[in-house]
Amino acid sequence: GAGVSQSPSNKVTEKGKDVELRCDPISGHTALYWYRQSLGQGLEFLIYFQGNSAPDKSGLPSDRFSAERTGGSVSTLTIQRTQQEDSAVYLCASSLDPMVGNTEAFFGQGTRLTVV
Amino acid sequence: AQSVTQLDSHVSVSEGTPVLLRCNYSSSYSPSLFWYVQHPNKGLQLLLKYTSAATLVKGINGFEAEFKKSETSFHLTKPSAHMSDAAEYFCVVSDLFSGGYNKLIFGAGTRLAVHP
Repeated sequence: GAGVSQSPSNKVTEKGKDVELRCDPISGHTALYWYRQSLGQGLEFLIYFQGNSAPDKSGLPSDRFSAERTGGSVSTLTIQRTQQEDSAVYLCASSLDPMVGNTEAFFGQGTRLTVV
Repeated sequence: AQSVTQLDSHVSVSEGTPVLLRCNYSSSYSPSLFWYVQHPNKGLQLLLKYTSAATLVKGINGFEAEFKKSETSFHLTKPSAHMSDAAEYFCVVSDLFSGGYNKLIFGAGTRLAVHP
């Protein structure tokens, strides 16, 4: 596709269940970011991928959160044993290789996660 | 450490009057700076970017921003507000971290309200 695609767009889950969120970046973009936006709040950085490796995962809130990226493309963010405070919009963004110059990030529409 | 401060959490203007959204940053290197806009229930869209070329940057929808290194500021302006400008605006710095990767750091956001 032409843009960053995230799925599902909405997810309602029961407390304690695991969820998996998917991000398809723009083809050729080597950098991939996950952010979280809680209701009425700014963006909270979660993790950054360059290719398949994650040089910065400092924003993951707890060990219940993990992410991987395969083939330098698709990324999945997994939240285990979900809690109500995990409810938020999870945003994915991708950009061209930052090592060849600073470029803007393109954002997906997000996955709205509701933990009940 | 790199950071972004948006000085106003809420700004309210009348339609047809100027808009000023303030942003200050701190950076150890030569950063790139961006403004993104997020309309209600929509994704993030790039308004404009500064990447060490002209200090006055023009963006979409009549917005512009001026990079002032001496003041470490990157304020967003528009001469005449339109109702459709009502949205959340994020100032973002992209900086080179040790390890050779860029990371996007978001400000907390400024909510712009436009009144008839």
